[in-house]
Amino acid sequence: AQSVAQPEDQVNVAEGNPLTVKCTYSVSGNPYLFWYVQYPNRGLQFLLKYITGDNLVKGSYGFEAEFNKSQTSFHLKKPSALVSDSALYFCAVRPRSGGGADGLTFGKGTHLIIQP
Amino acid sequence: NAGVTQTPKFQVLKTGQSMTLQCAQDMNHEYMSWYRQDPGMGLRLIHYSVGAGITDQGEVPNGYNVSRSTTEDFPLRLLSAAPSQTSVYFCASSRRFGSGANVLTFGAGSRLTVL
Repeated sequence: AQSVAQPEDQVNVAEGNPLTVKCTYSVSGNPYLFWYVQYPNRGLQFLLKYITGDNLVKGSYGFEAEFNKSQTSFHLKKPSALVSDSALYFCAVRPRSGGGADGLTFGKGTHLIIQP
Repeated sequence: NAGVTQTPKFQVLKTGQSMTLQCAQDMNHEYMSWYRQDPGMGLRLIHYSVGAGITDQGEVPNGYNVSRSTTEDFPLRLLSAAPSQTSVYFCASSRRFGSGANVLTFGAGSRLTVL
């Protein structure tokens, strides 16, 4: 069975500084990897995904993520944080086998707090 | 284009009561699913469907029932509510069964409290 670990419950970053939200995964074979964001009292919104190819994936709102196969990681990054980036971030994985019928396996989420 | 619509947004139940959470999507998505979100546990899959008439269990299906009579609707039924089912429930859909890279579109959530 697959699993996702987000080791930090909360990440605090000053506005304008770079941010990183960490994610590691365990799955057999090569996975599809996703980042979603949840603003208060809202559903999850898709940020970006890794399918294949370039290890650096660019997504919405200036976010990017780096896939590292040897470290089984998919860390979310942004060069310059905004206060509006404050939200709950989820990393998720789905194995390539199964044809897409299986649901995503989510991490526990990381609260990102950007301080003015 | 409304996307994924969930009703009700809030509900309070007493232990033993039954209810149905409604989910409707207008994107002609084949795949629909229900997740529950609990603090510190992320989202866990309850049930999913890959098309009308086809449903299957996810990670935490006990105490819940689903059906898929149309492409658009995927209701989640709580048969006899228990306090352990207090949670926020999300319905999500995606375009195609058959590609694991499909992106899920989520509803706004339904907050359920069982007393």
